[in-house]
Amino acid sequence: QKEVEQNSGPLSVPEGAIASLNCTYSDRGSQSFFWYRQYSGKSPELIMSIYSNGDKEDGRFTAQLNKASQYVSLLIRDSQPSDSATYLCAVRVGGYQKVTFGIGTKLQVIP
Amino acid sequence: DVKVTQSSRYLVKRTGEKVFLECVQDMDHENMFWYRQDPGLGLRLIYFSYDVKMKEKGDIPEGYSVSREKKERFSLILESASTNQTSMYLCASSLVGAGTGELFFGEGSRLTVL
Repeated sequence: QKEVEQNSGPLSVPEGAIASLNCTYSDRGSQSFFWYRQYSGKSPELIMSIYSNGDKEDGRFTAQLNKASQYVSLLIRDSQPSDSATYLCAVRVGGYQKVTFGIGTKLQVIP
Repeated sequence: DVKVTQSSRYLVKRTGEKVFLECVQDMDHENMFWYRQDPGLGLRLIYFSYDVKMKEKGDIPEGYSVSREKKERFSLILESASTNQTSMYLCASSLVGAGTGELFFGEGSRLTVL
């Protein structure tokens, strides 16, 4: 079982819709969770971090964490064509410096 | 503005050559990381360092070594390059503690081994 699992996609949503990206992780000791966005040909950039159960909102982005289900998600409201990118889920196990990434989900927002 | 700089954007090397990839950060971060990124495999951790002269193996350290003589600089070394090391290499840095995981990435070094 992979440490961090994501569906590679592509996930296609129409402009203005809500995009829902999902991630599961295997290590119950995981304490820190991150979403990175990577445009084609560019490096990943951090867009959200979440450390406790529940929702965290930042503009059009909402990260959701459910530690009991070992599940992290990212919602993008009012999706724009500029949101088209690969979204990487990353996890850090408590007490360790190592950060493990999923393979990423490619999102396509159709105008 | 925070910055992680990788010395070479594109490199072409021959099998058996020694390859150095260098990374410098200007954020006074304790942690530095080397990942490689391949289609279908995602980002995989090669090595990381949490302090000067300290290093830890990641998930795929075979065929690689690292050096961290100064806090701001982290080098990845391929002692004898092989074709299966053709990849995009990404350097990143972060703070320790709660900030770990909030990585700042360099622009990447695309290595082709012929």
